[in-house]
Amino acid sequence: GESVGLHLPTLSVQEGDNSIINCAYSNSASDYFIWYKQESGKGPQFIIDIRSNMDKRQGQRVTVLLNKTVKHLSLQIAATQPGDSAVYFCAETINTGGFKTIFGAGTRLFVKA
Amino acid sequence: SAVISQKPSRDICQRGTSLTIQCQVDSQVTMMFWYRQQPGQSLTLIATANQGSEATYESGFVIDKFPISRPNLTFSTLTVSNMSPEDSSIYLCSASAQGEQPQHFGDGTRLSIL
Repeated sequence: GESVGLHLPTLSVQEGDNSIINCAYSNSASDYFIWYKQESGKGPQFIIDIRSNMDKRQGQRVTVLLNKTVKHLSLQIAATQPGDSAVYFCAETINTGGFKTIFGAGTRLFVKA
Repeated sequence: SAVISQKPSRDICQRGTSLTIQCQVDSQVTMMFWYRQQPGQSLTLIATANQGSEATYESGFVIDKFPISRPNLTFSTLTVSNMSPEDSSIYLCSASAQGEQPQHFGDGTRLSIL
């Protein structure tokens, strides 16, 4: 399938190290945030989410941090594995009467074995 | 989580023609959306597909170019009309049970226009 993220920022990490992927979001009214992983030829896959009344949430090997003051979101992946190689997108959900989810620019994670 | 299927998975089309992409969800969902992902870029929201009413389009997208149907709570179509090479892209359908829940995505339709 086609590759996504050919022109996106790239983060290269050694297998076993921790990865931190950062994202700046745009709308101070956003109240729900999501991290997605996209592998080549596939649609985005949900990883973890966080609501605006929280500043940290942990999942299995992943942690999301939210700093509303500076509109910043980060995804931490512990003990990064080759299978984590993909493009990662943050997304913010905005309530405008209806809900819509807007995606950030994305980061390509490359894990070196 | 909802399983989302799109058809076709890919197509190569002649300029000036139109193509309709189908999106089927395996459960009833409140919200369905259509996105475009150009090569090497992020996802851009085209429109929200509203069940029983006209779709809500984002800035830069119009109904004449991207007509959308949503006849029920599990199905939607997106038509790319009068295609030009600039429409070559991945088109993705997504669905959410309700507003503040993660949207799930299909694997997209890869469209190339010659």
